[in-house]
Amino acid sequence: DTEVTQTPKHLVMGMTNKKSLKCEQHMGHRAMYWYKQKAKKPPELMFVYSYEKLSINESVPSRFSPECPNSSLLNLHLHALQPEDSALYLCASSPRDAGGANEKLFFGSGTQLSVL
Amino acid sequence: QKEVEQNSGPLSVPEGAIASLNCTYSDRVSQSFFWYRQYSGKSPELIMSIYSNGDKEDGRFTAQLNKASQYVSLLIRDSQPSDSATYLCAVNGGNKLVFGAGTILRVKS
Repeated sequence: DTEVTQTPKHLVMGMTNKKSLKCEQHMGHRAMYWYKQKAKKPPELMFVYSYEKLSINESVPSRFSPECPNSSLLNLHLHALQPEDSALYLCASSPRDAGGANEKLFFGSGTQLSVL
Repeated sequence: QKEVEQNSGPLSVPEGAIASLNCTYSDRVSQSFFWYRQYSGKSPELIMSIYSNGDKEDGRFTAQLNKASQYVSLLIRDSQPSDSATYLCAVNGGNKLVFGAGTILRVKS
């Protein structure tokens, strides 16, 4: 199993809603990531978890709250988002510690988020 | 600010030709280099990694690295219409991967 699974694939939410994005991998990877990607732009790193601990937060607004319940699962809790937060949210995992020299990322299929 | 630069394209090549995609990076201490392919509306997919100066071949793909010139490239031989996608160069020089903006490749049949 070499997949990173993300749910839901599409999400529409209002600015007062609370929702969560979910990510799961069973490759035994110990680093997991959240990226945000706007159309025609490269992925932008949001958070990195290494061995279930938050190791990098790229100054992401607090309306995004990550959670890593165990080594296979990663969540992103969303609250009071703005329309400009509409984007493709990508989860990824890698087989080495975050920051290792050989950081190969395996991406999930993403959640296309629209904030109304 | 660590930067990874790519020509946005689109790069158009005829079917069967060699497509050459280029990338430069600013951080001299970068150690590992990756090429990801992203089809429209899909997530990035790792296609090549390279860590040492020189060439690395995998099927129709060849990655080339020149650390002295801070330059990494991807050659796609016998290009196919299915290779049409955005190719993202990514460089790891520290504690995270930095992506270039990507080059759009169009292979015409």
